[in-house]
Amino acid sequence: DAKTTQPPSMDCAEGRAANLPCNHSTISGNEYVYWYRQIHSQGPQYIIHGLKNNETNEMASLIITEDRKSSTLILPHATLRDTAVYYCIVSLSGSRLTFGEGTQLTVNP
Amino acid sequence: DGGITQSPKYLFRKEGQNVTLSCEQNLNHDAMYWYRQDPGQGLRLIYYSQIVNDFQKGDIAEGYSVSREKKESFPLTVTSAQKNPTAFYLCASSIAEVGTYEQYFGPGTRLTVT
Repeated sequence: DAKTTQPPSMDCAEGRAANLPCNHSTISGNEYVYWYRQIHSQGPQYIIHGLKNNETNEMASLIITEDRKSSTLILPHATLRDTAVYYCIVSLSGSRLTFGEGTQLTVNP
Repeated sequence: DGGITQSPKYLFRKEGQNVTLSCEQNLNHDAMYWYRQDPGQGLRLIYYSQIVNDFQKGDIAEGYSVSREKKESFPLTVTSAQKNPTAFYLCASSIAEVGTYEQYFGPGTRLTVT
């Protein structure tokens, strides 16, 4: 599976959009981009995944560049409960996931 | 409520003892997974199971064993051969091992071995 690179930490003001970047320059054509998040001392929670097209669900939007070498997870209106570690994962399937160290997002009041 | 149950939340053991961590799901999922997480790090896959009576090693299976006798249950045994057993252990399940299905995680068990 392709390796991903994420900033170790980011801050965001409550109510503003949080944009979390992820680089995956070695991604292959059939690998998906997955995003999970983990609130402190809890199990991770699935957010969204995509292959080529941008995706949106009730939690977030996923923007994948045309060359697929990077992506951005967007939380449109961040709340304090969105404070968590966000993991960007590239995988052929939803099963063999490799979780890196992720990005610690802190939403400030 | 449908979900994944892991018990206990905290577990303490003496070095040299085997310990079994429980994982139960009522989501009717075929696939189940065990991960280990060390402080400040991501999750690493220990074992996974696609179907009852079948399981495969993940990236760090040494010192661990599993069984899958029922669809709902996937217990993990941390044996005395595991050199650094103290960690946060997470169980997950998904509809199937193949495909792009999301994984659902339990609340985790924090194991401390002294």
